[in-house]
Amino acid sequence: EAGVAQSPRYKIIEKRQSVAFWCNPISGHATLYWYQQILGQGPKLLIQFQNNGVVDDSQLPKDRFSAERLKGVDSTLKIQPAKLEDSAVYLCASSLWTGTGNQPQHFGDGTRLSIL
Amino acid sequence: TQLLEQSPQFLSIQEGENLTVYCNSSSVFSSLQWYRQEPGEGPVLLVTVVTGGEVKKLKRLTFQFGDARKDSSLHITAAQTGDTGLYLCAGRGAAGNKLTFGGGTRVLVKP
Repeated sequence: EAGVAQSPRYKIIEKRQSVAFWCNPISGHATLYWYQQILGQGPKLLIQFQNNGVVDDSQLPKDRFSAERLKGVDSTLKIQPAKLEDSAVYLCASSLWTGTGNQPQHFGDGTRLSIL
Repeated sequence: TQLLEQSPQFLSIQEGENLTVYCNSSSVFSSLQWYRQEPGEGPVLLVTVVTGGEVKKLKRLTFQFGDARKDSSLHITAAQTGDTGLYLCAGRGAAGNKLTFGGGTRVLVKP
C-alpha cells in the first residue's frame, strides 16, 4: 500500500512570499488532515477534511492560510503572505472514516518550510 | 482546549536501561494514541488505548491508560538504539475526531 505522498520535501522562501504544499492521501482514505509542527513541539491540527468538505479549521490562520480538497482526493495548503513564525514542518495525514474516530492516522514525511 | 503535557521533554539513556515517558492532562479523553517520529519522517502510530486502566504490550513497550482516562504512560524495557526517536501522545476528545498532540519526549538511546 502506497503511503501519504507530500511535496515538496523542502522549501525556502522569504517572508511575505507565498508558498503551496501538495498532499496525496492513501487511496480510499476519506479523511485528510494538515498539521503544523514547529521545531521541538508536537503537531498542531490546522484543518481536517472529510471527502471535500471541511470538518474542522478552527486553528487555521485564515487571514494567510488556505486549503482545498476539490475532488475529495489530493489537497493543497497555501500560505500567503508567509511570516517568519510559519517556519515549521507541514504534515499531511489521512485516515479511513468509520464514525468512531479511532482509526489510525497515516502521516506523510512532511514539507520543511524555512522563512528567511 | 484540551492540553496534553509530556514529561520529560528529553531523555538520554544507555542501551539496556529502562525508561518511562508520561502524558498528562486535566481533560478526559475517549482514547489516546502513542506515535513515534524519527527525524525527517512523519509520526507512526504505535498503539491506541481506549479503556480506563487498559494496559497494552508491544514487544518491549508497555502502554497504560489511566483509570480516569486523563493520563497515560509508555514504558520501554531494555532499550535499544533503534528506540531512539520522538515519542508523541495524542488524545481524542469525547466530541469527535480531533486529535490533540502533546509536545513530545525526545528519547536518545546510546550504545
